[in-house]
Amino acid sequence: AQSVAQPEDQVNVAEGNPLTVKCTYSVSGNPYLFWYVQYPNRGLQFLLKYITGDNLVKGSYGFEAEFNKSQTSFHLKKPSALVSDSALYFCAVRGNSGNTGKLIFGQGTTLQVKP
Amino acid sequence: DAGVTQSPTHLIKTRGQQVTLRCSPKSGHDTVSWYQQALGQGPQFIFQYYEEEERQRGNFPDRFSGHQFPNYSSELNVNALLLGDSALYLCASSLPRKGSFKGDTQYFGPGTRLTVL
Repeated sequence: AQSVAQPEDQVNVAEGNPLTVKCTYSVSGNPYLFWYVQYPNRGLQFLLKYITGDNLVKGSYGFEAEFNKSQTSFHLKKPSALVSDSALYFCAVRGNSGNTGKLIFGQGTTLQVKP
Repeated sequence: DAGVTQSPTHLIKTRGQQVTLRCSPKSGHDTVSWYQQALGQGPQFIFQYYEEEERQRGNFPDRFSGHQFPNYSSELNVNALLLGDSALYLCASSLPRKGSFKGDTQYFGPGTRLTVL
């Protein structure tokens, strides 16, 4: 079965420090991986995706993510956190079986950036 | 460029009632997907519509049905509401390139908060 795990319910970082939000996945074949961010009472905003190619993907608002096939991970990173980055972050995956449009989401990780 | 819009923003219903939620996709998009997000959970895929037909469905009962109109907008209908249907319902639109739904990016609307009493 295809699945996504976000092992940390919450990540706390100080403003200006680097941040990492972890994601691991389990799918058959090559995965299609996504990161979204959700602010309170809002929908999900797309940050970045990995389809193929370079393992380091750059996205919106200075975020990037590194695809690691051997560790089945797709961690979200940012070199210098901002207080405004505080939000709920979701990792999502599509498997390679068929022409699926279904996104499978993790449980989410709350990022708290303190001044 | 208008993003994905959903209506209403909030809705309160009682058990057994029926509800219809509406979604207008991002300009230029032709595919609409619906997700249910329970409190404290990640979104769960309900179904996806393309060319006015349901092309893929998640693990939801038949009480959940939908429709896509010629202008690509979509409705989600839920019959015989249960307390457990209380959630944020998210609509996402996309434009599959060369018929590939796997690699496309889904853009989400703000959601409709449904409360069932």
